[in-house]
Amino acid sequence: KAGVTQTPRYLIKTRGQQVTLSCSPISGHRSVSWYQQTPGQGLQFLFEYFSETQRNKGNFPGRFSGRQFSNSRSEMNVSTLELGDSALYLCASSLMVGGLQETQYFGPGTRLLVL
Amino acid sequence: AQSVSQHNHHVILSEAASLELGCNYSYGGTVNLFWYVQYPGQHLQLLLKYFSGDPLVKGIKGFEAEFIKSKFSFNLRKPSVQWSDTAEYFCAVTPYSSASKIIFGSGTRLSIRP
Repeated sequence: KAGVTQTPRYLIKTRGQQVTLSCSPISGHRSVSWYQQTPGQGLQFLFEYFSETQRNKGNFPGRFSGRQFSNSRSEMNVSTLELGDSALYLCASSLMVGGLQETQYFGPGTRLLVL
Repeated sequence: AQSVSQHNHHVILSEAASLELGCNYSYGGTVNLFWYVQYPGQHLQLLLKYFSGDPLVKGIKGFEAEFIKSKFSFNLRKPSVQWSDTAEYFCAVTPYSSASKIIFGSGTRLSIRP
């Protein structure tokens, strides 16, 4: 099975712009989660989607949003970019078994640099 | 608030040395526990996990971890490390009631001297 794929892999934006990142989960996985990884804050949970609905959300401002499509692919959007948004954005997908989420499998990430 | 603590930020060992990386979490309820590894230039990979049952779990590449509920700990061990174990290791917890939200520790960078 192909793993989690994320596009683009690298992105450079300037302050004030917006950006959209894409994630394709492992086939059959319907839960998709997003994380931000920075040297200072480590890995932080952004949000999780299942069946096109956001089920869980971390402590990030409203500039960070996401959505999930009927084929389980997910996008996350960051509006009005700030320098501090420079980070590696990771997507993870997982199966749901008996209503519970199984192990999350991570993609390679999108490295965003905000200038 | 739930949190995960990894006490060692950077560990340096020689090949064949034994390894133990500490992990403690703060959450009073049932949890699922994980160790993930990030090799240089690669993405996060699952090393091992604990959901229930035997508190001593074995993972890939000779790693194991022991869940001690009374100590809220899930330490990672390997009896003899190799140069290829050089990586960053993350302990993670998901509260059983909110299993979609992984809380990660800050990570431990492991450097192995050949």
